[in-house]
Amino acid sequence: AQSVTQLDSQVPVFEEAPVELRCNYSSSVSVYLFWYVQYPNQGLQLLLKYLSGSTLVKGINGFEAEFNKSQTSFHLRKPSVHISDTAEYFCAVSVVSGNTGKLIFGQGTTLQVKP
Amino acid sequence: DTAVSQTPKYLVTQMGNDKSIKCEQNLGHDTMYWYKQDSKKFLKIMFSYNNKELIINETVPNRFSPKSPDKAHLNLHINSLELGDSAVYFCASSQFGGYSGGELFFGEGSRLTVL
Repeated sequence: AQSVTQLDSQVPVFEEAPVELRCNYSSSVSVYLFWYVQYPNQGLQLLLKYLSGSTLVKGINGFEAEFNKSQTSFHLRKPSVHISDTAEYFCAVSVVSGNTGKLIFGQGTTLQVKP
Repeated sequence: DTAVSQTPKYLVTQMGNDKSIKCEQNLGHDTMYWYKQDSKKFLKIMFSYNNKELIINETVPNRFSPKSPDKAHLNLHINSLELGDSAVYFCASSQFGGYSGGELFFGEGSRLTVL
């Protein structure tokens, strides 16, 4: 069965510092991987996704992630964070069956950006 | 126009009551979902409908009954509410197939508090 593990529940970081949020997945088939962000009291919005092709994926708000098949990882990075990046971040893997499917989410990582 | 909209956004009710949450999407997607987010922010899929047909039912108690009158609408009715039902319920939609990889579009969430 496919699953996703986010290795850090909380990541505190100072403003303008780089950050990496770690995600590992398990899958026996081809994967589609996603990072979503949830700001306080809001729904989830897509940051970026890996479907195929280049392993380095760029998303919104300066975030990027690298798909590493050998390490089954899809870590999220940003070279310089802002206070406004404080949010909950979710890694997810898509489980597709025929013409439908679902997303399985990791436990989430709280990014706390301090001034 | 909001792509995925849910009502109500907040719901406070007593144990034992019955309540409903409604969801509508205007994206033309075939697949809709209910996810539950608990107090630890963990997101778990509950149900999925593909073109009005129930395709995923993830061991959710029978007190929860989804209904999809058409592919743009998905409602969730909960009978005999319990304290443990307190959570944020997210509706989402997706169009599988093609190159989407199953990206989900989420509503803003409905925060249910059972007293």
